[in-house]
Amino acid sequence: DAKTTQPNSMESNEEEPVHLPCNHSTISGTDYIHWYRQLPSQGPEYVIHGLTSNVNNRMASLAIAEDRKSSTLILHRATLRDAAVYYCILRDLAGGTSYGKLTFGQGTILTVHP
Amino acid sequence: GAVVSQHPSRVICKSGTSVKIECRSLDFQATTMFWYRQFPKQSLMLMATSNEGSKATYEQGVEKDKFLINHASLTLSTLTVTSAHPEDSSFYICSARDVGVDTEAFFGQGTRLTVV
Repeated sequence: DAKTTQPNSMESNEEEPVHLPCNHSTISGTDYIHWYRQLPSQGPEYVIHGLTSNVNNRMASLAIAEDRKSSTLILHRATLRDAAVYYCILRDLAGGTSYGKLTFGQGTILTVHP
Repeated sequence: GAVVSQHPSRVICKSGTSVKIECRSLDFQATTMFWYRQFPKQSLMLMATSNEGSKATYEQGVEKDKFLINHASLTLSTLTVTSAHPEDSSFYICSARDVGVDTEAFFGQGTRLTVV
């Protein structure tokens, strides 16, 4: 599986935007970029995903570089509830029974200060 | 979105005993479920892939006789940690694939196992 690289930790203040970077220089043409987050003592939850174009949903935005070798998860206004570990994961949606199997890296620990 | 429920959320057991963890898909049918383990301050590691009606596929280094997985129905997979030891203490998390949803995996809330 293609690998992703994320900073170990980032800090933000409440109500401010947060940009969480992810490098994936060996991404293949069929890899989708997924972001999940894990709040303390909980299972991960889906945040957003994309292939080539930037994506927006109610939780966040995903900005994908033109060459797809990097992406940035954007939380427009951080809240205390956004404090979590954020995982950037590449996922080949070619199907098959391995679909749904995720390879988690170390992720970025986001701390939000009041 | 789809809901995956794990039970129990927390369990303490004595060394040498067995513990069963249940993972249920509440509003969808899951032909495939996945079991992960997470040690403190580490990332999630996939243990096994559970397919309804067939044997589970274990990742390298995971003992299939110690971590018994049963996926007898489309909404339930169980993980039994047999003869548990303190080093098995961990956070166990399941996820399920909804065949009707191509975009995301759905995770349970996790089970904190402590073996004393």
